[in-house]
Amino acid sequence: KAGVTQTPRYLIKTRGQQVTLSCSPISGHRSVSWYQQTPGQGLQFLFEYFSETQRNKGNFPGRFSGRQFSNSRSEMNVSTLELGDSALYLCASSPGAVLSNYGYTFGSGTRLTVV
Amino acid sequence: KQEVTQIPAALSVPEGENLVLNCSFTDSAIYNLQWFRQDPGKGLTSLLLIQSSQREQTSGRLNASLDKSSGRSTLYIAASQPGDSATYLCAVILASKLTFGTGTRLQVTL
Repeated sequence: KAGVTQTPRYLIKTRGQQVTLSCSPISGHRSVSWYQQTPGQGLQFLFEYFSETQRNKGNFPGRFSGRQFSNSRSEMNVSTLELGDSALYLCASSPGAVLSNYGYTFGSGTRLTVV
Repeated sequence: KQEVTQIPAALSVPEGENLVLNCSFTDSAIYNLQWFRQDPGKGLTSLLLIQSSQREQTSGRLNASLDKSSGRSTLYIAASQPGDSATYLCAVILASKLTFGTGTRLQVTL
């Protein structure tokens, strides 16, 4: 059973540019969540998508957006990149029920560096 | 706002020792709790999931307990090995969102 696939693994972007990250969940999982990990703030929740709808959202500016496709694959977009957006972005997959007794499976992450 | 704290922040032990990692959370209205390990620069690997109706979960040398009323979880690692060296994170789960602790960096020395 394939795990959670995130692409690309590494990205270097310039301030002001935009970037799109991709996440393919485990087959059959309908929920995809995104997290940002930085040394100073730790792991912070960005948003969660379920059946192509954003179901939950963290406290990030509108420059951070996402979407989910009918095959449950998700993309995250960051516009007008800032140096502080440099982080490891992690995607998590779960079956999707809110009161679920299944845990979350994470991908290997995308390391974004903004210069 | 849910806050999750892990103590200690860092720990160095010789191989073979048994050890306990602590996780505390401020809001007991959680559904499940999950423990992860993270190797440097890598993603998160799930270790144990404690469901809302459970108080304990075991996998191999790992045992995790959950006391929702007191806002605490512990991860017990038996007979530690150098391969256990990593950062350990606990996450409380509610409404399809994980709130992570600050992590415990563990080093097991030969």
